[in-house]
Amino acid sequence: DVKVTQSSRYLVKRTGEKVFLECVQDMDHENMFWYRQDPGLGLRLIYFSYDVKMKEKGDIPEGYSVSREKKERFSLILESASTNQTSMYLCASRLYNSPLHFGNGTRLTVT
Amino acid sequence: SQQGEEDPQALSIQEGENATMNCSYKTSINNLQWYRQNSGRGLVHLILIRSNEREKHSGRLRVTLDTSKKSSSLLITASRAADTASYFCATEGGSEKLVFGKGTKLTVNP
Repeated sequence: DVKVTQSSRYLVKRTGEKVFLECVQDMDHENMFWYRQDPGLGLRLIYFSYDVKMKEKGDIPEGYSVSREKKERFSLILESASTNQTSMYLCASRLYNSPLHFGNGTRLTVT
Repeated sequence: SQQGEEDPQALSIQEGENATMNCSYKTSINNLQWYRQNSGRGLVHLILIRSNEREKHSGRLRVTLDTSKKSSSLLITASRAADTASYFCATEGGSEKLVFGKGTKLTVNP
């Protein structure tokens, strides 16, 4: 069974801090994704990666960057956290044209 | 954007009843997928239906796709309290992005 692991379930950070959210998958999937989920807005795509060192902006990339140095790991970086980045962050992976496998999410609070 | 839009936003039914959720989208797609999310957890894939398919079944789930109307429906038959969750549709077009709707929150009362 595919496992997508997000490093933290809950995270509390201060405004201006640099924040790293880590995601690891164990099924050799090419594609990896970062979404954020907010009440009333559904899931919005921040960034995705279709191969090592490759990345594409999603719908809301501002204030975020990503890193994919190894196939199994996709990191989301908040360069300078702000309160409007308080959200649930969901990582997912998949083979091309196949269903997504999600992690359990990281609930980030920026104070 | 080819974001799917689910309808209704919330649905409350009694155990044993059927639940129907709808999804509409804007542009042509390669496939449409339905996911379920229990409160505070990640999403779990339910069914994928390709653009050349019209109907698909999986257990108590039935999904239809009408590409001429750019719409899909998810039917859960004989619902159970354990079906209480949020349900999302996601569309995939020519890029490798999946774009999600805002979801339908289903409550099944025992």
